[in-house]
Amino acid sequence: DIQMTQSPSSLSASVGDRVTITCRASQSISSYLNWYQQKPGKAPKLLIYAASSLQSGVPSRFSGSGSGTDFTLTISSLQPEDFATYYCQQSYSTPRGFGQGTKLEIK
Amino acid sequence: EVQLVESGGGLVKPGGSLRLSCAASGFTFSNAWMSWVRQAPGKGLEWVGRIKSKTDGGTTDYAAPVKGRFTISRDDSKNTLYLQMNSLKTEDTAVYYCTTEVLYLRYGMDVWGQGTTVTVSS
Repeated sequence: DIQMTQSPSSLSASVGDRVTITCRASQSISSYLNWYQQKPGKAPKLLIYAASSLQSGVPSRFSGSGSGTDFTLTISSLQPEDFATYYCQQSYSTPRGFGQGTKLEIK
Repeated sequence: EVQLVESGGGLVKPGGSLRLSCAASGFTFSNAWMSWVRQAPGKGLEWVGRIKSKTDGGTTDYAAPVKGRFTISRDDSKNTLYLQMNSLKTEDTAVYYCTTEVLYLRYGMDVWGQGTTVTVSS
């Protein structure tokens, strides 16, 4: 099974900051990597698919990069509504695996 | 409007069974690959399993912790996805989400239901 490891597990930042979250796969997953945002009590929301493609309706301050085993999610200028938990997920093979999550908190 | 609505959650004793349903609307359900994802209280997301469309074989895959106990099925005539959960354990306590897996999004999970809560406790 492919293991997904995110870092950091939590992050404090301020409105306007640039933030980067990393995700590493235990083996190559090409670009089969997706990013989700989840707010408390809500279902996850797809932000980025295929490592770097922005899902429709997602603000352009979100971007993704990487291929193979190493990936990043970047938020260029944090907005108040971006404070949430972020998960990466591989869709290269089953079982699908999620990272453990990165909780982004207000500094 | 594209929508998924889960139902069937509740309180069940260890060793018991429960069947969750997920009603789909606003898209061609029969063409969709569908997954179940769960989230234990205060924990991260955990993939439970997936069923392909009948066109693509209708096959299922499961996560190791639920394999042999959980069964995913679909009724395309009712636009409904099911998760039959047997031999439930306390560690199955979670919010269960159904979601679509979209080929052209590199199998990203695009549409999610609101979730239904399953509590396994004596």
